[in-house]
Amino acid sequence: EVQLLESGGGLVQPGGSLRLSCAASGFTFTTYGMRWVRQAPGKGLEWVSAISNDAGTTYYADSVKGRFTVSRDNSKNTLYLQMNSLRAEDTAIYYCARSGVTTVASIFYYYMDVWGKGTTVTVSS
Amino acid sequence: DIQMTQSPSLLSASVGDRVTITCRASQSISKFLSWYQQKPGKAPKFLIYAASTLQSGVPSRFSGSGSGTDFTLTISSLQPDDFATYYCQQSSTSAWTFGQGTKVQIK
Repeated sequence: EVQLLESGGGLVQPGGSLRLSCAASGFTFTTYGMRWVRQAPGKGLEWVSAISNDAGTTYYADSVKGRFTVSRDNSKNTLYLQMNSLRAEDTAIYYCARSGVTTVASIFYYYMDVWGKGTTVTVSS
Repeated sequence: DIQMTQSPSLLSASVGDRVTITCRASQSISKFLSWYQQKPGKAPKFLIYAASTLQSGVPSRFSGSGSGTDFTLTISSLQPDDFATYYCQQSSTSAWTFGQGTKVQIK
């Protein structure tokens, strides 16, 4: 069964750090890009970060650029999100998602086809 | 970043109704648009990619259309399992963005 399982969430003080993990199983992890998406309490979805299958390319939302770092260990089938200088507005459920792709008429269409259940991060004093 | 705007934000409908949700991009995104469904306390579920292609296993009552800046998600006959929040999401640029969501509630 294709599965993603996030861990590492918790309560942290403003200015603190946290590292989230996402363990993948049931598919060939090394062939997929991966993404982090978050959802603040009662709010919509916000894309946070992305990493290519070989970790050669990373992207970040402006709201986390310079504070968050995405990485992966393909030998462990695990995705990470290192979060530093945390702020109250970073409080959210953090989901990892697989970045699927389909080619139609030589055009690559990317989407998030598999999602984890999420891990909750609360930034508060 | 490309802004995605959905309308309406809240939609009240009955079982059997035809429901249409609109998503507008702040600039052309060709057909680089996906739709997701989210129920309370659950992770989002992937429904549609390339604006109109249903993911495997998604009921055929769901359909998507559009290109450029204007897109729609249609549910032809609303079922009890369809009451949820729906999000559009663009993948035209490296900074993916979501619409604010449309909650479909029971009338």
